[in-house]
Amino acid sequence: AQRVTQPEKLLSVFKGAPVELKCNYSYSGSPELFWYVQYSRQRLQLLLRHISRESIKGFTADLNKGETSFHLKKPFAQEEDSAMYYCALTDYGQNFVFGPGTRLSVLP
Amino acid sequence: ETGVTQSPTHLIKTRGQQVTLRCSSQSGHNTVSWYQQALGQGPQFIFQYYREEENGRGNFPPRFSGLQFPNYSSELNVNALELDDSALYLCASSLGLESSTDTQYFGPGTRLTVL
Repeated sequence: AQRVTQPEKLLSVFKGAPVELKCNYSYSGSPELFWYVQYSRQRLQLLLRHISRESIKGFTADLNKGETSFHLKKPFAQEEDSAMYYCALTDYGQNFVFGPGTRLSVLP
Repeated sequence: ETGVTQSPTHLIKTRGQQVTLRCSSQSGHNTVSWYQQALGQGPQFIFQYYREEENGRGNFPPRFSGLQFPNYSSELNVNALELDDSALYLCASSLGLESSTDTQYFGPGTRLTVL
């Protein structure tokens, strides 16, 4: 069965420090992977998807099929990055699996 | 903010009752997905509808059912409510079925409490 794990419930970093939010998945095929973010009092929204290979708000994520990981990284954290982050996968859109989420707190 | 709306915002029901939650997708979005989010957990996929037909389903019993209407509105129905059904229910709409490129836009959610 498909599964997404995010080992850290809470990650605290200082402003300007690098940040890495970990995501591992189990899936037998070639999943599509995403990172979603929920800022305080806002809706869940897409941050980035692996197929786009883009950088959004300074965040990047690399799919490592060998390690079945899709870690989210940013070289210099900002206070406005504080939010709940969810890693998710889908198998051709017929089933979506979200991880439990990591709360990122960027300290001043 | 996106155009996805959900009603009601909050709802309290008792065990055994039935509930209907509503979602209004963004205009032009043919796909709607429903999720259950328990406290402290990530969203769990319930099912997805595309052009009024169920297109995929997660690991939820048949007492969870849905409908999608031509006017971009949809419903999630839950029969025989159980205490564990207490959660935030999210709907998300997207343009079509290209999950790799179509973005899901989430609504604010309906908080259901079952007593």
